[in-house]
Amino acid sequence: DAGVTQSPTHLIKTRGQQVTLRCSPKSGHDTVSWYQQALGQGPQFIFQYYEEEERQRGNFPDRFSGHQFPNYSSELNVNALLLGDSALYLCASSDLRLGQGATDTQYFGPGTRLTVL
Amino acid sequence: AQSVTQPDIHITVSEGASLELRCNYSYGATPYLFWYVQSPGQGLQLLLKYFSGDTLVQGIKGFEAEFKRSQSSFNLRKPSVHWSDAAEYFCAVGARAGANNLFFGTGTRLTVIP
Repeated sequence: DAGVTQSPTHLIKTRGQQVTLRCSPKSGHDTVSWYQQALGQGPQFIFQYYEEEERQRGNFPDRFSGHQFPNYSSELNVNALLLGDSALYLCASSDLRLGQGATDTQYFGPGTRLTVL
Repeated sequence: AQSVTQPDIHITVSEGASLELRCNYSYGATPYLFWYVQSPGQGLQLLLKYFSGDTLVQGIKGFEAEFKRSQSSFNLRKPSVHWSDAAEYFCAVGARAGANNLFFGTGTRLTVIP
């Protein structure tokens, strides 16, 4: 059973560029959430996708956008990159159809390390 | 607003010693509580979770945590630490209804001395 996978592993960009990160959820999961983890900090929630729509969003600017595909995989796009966007970007998947309440268990991928120069 | 406080930034213990990592949360309703572990350069692995019921929950790798509503705490414990437990530990809280996002603490880095 494949877990959550993310690509690429590492990425280096310069300020002002745009980046796309990819995530494939754990088999059987229908919901994908994205988190940003700055160095020395805990992960911060960016947004969540379910049924190809953004369902929840954290306190992140519109430069951060996403997409979910019919196969439940997801992309995170960041436009006009800033130095402060350098972080580990984590994808987490869960299955809302389990009906165990609002917060089902989230399983995390290994992350994409983004460096903005 | 939800928040999580992990008061200890860094803890050092000897191998074989007991461990307790502290976590305090702020949340207006009954929370969902989680402990995750992160090894260097890796993603987060779920250690254990509390949704309801027995306030003492068992997790993987010999970890356990106790939910104390009166103290708004969810401390993680292990009776005997192994060198492989060295990692960063994160406590997280989630909403019981309507949301699937987690709020994380800033983490506690555990160093294990042989």
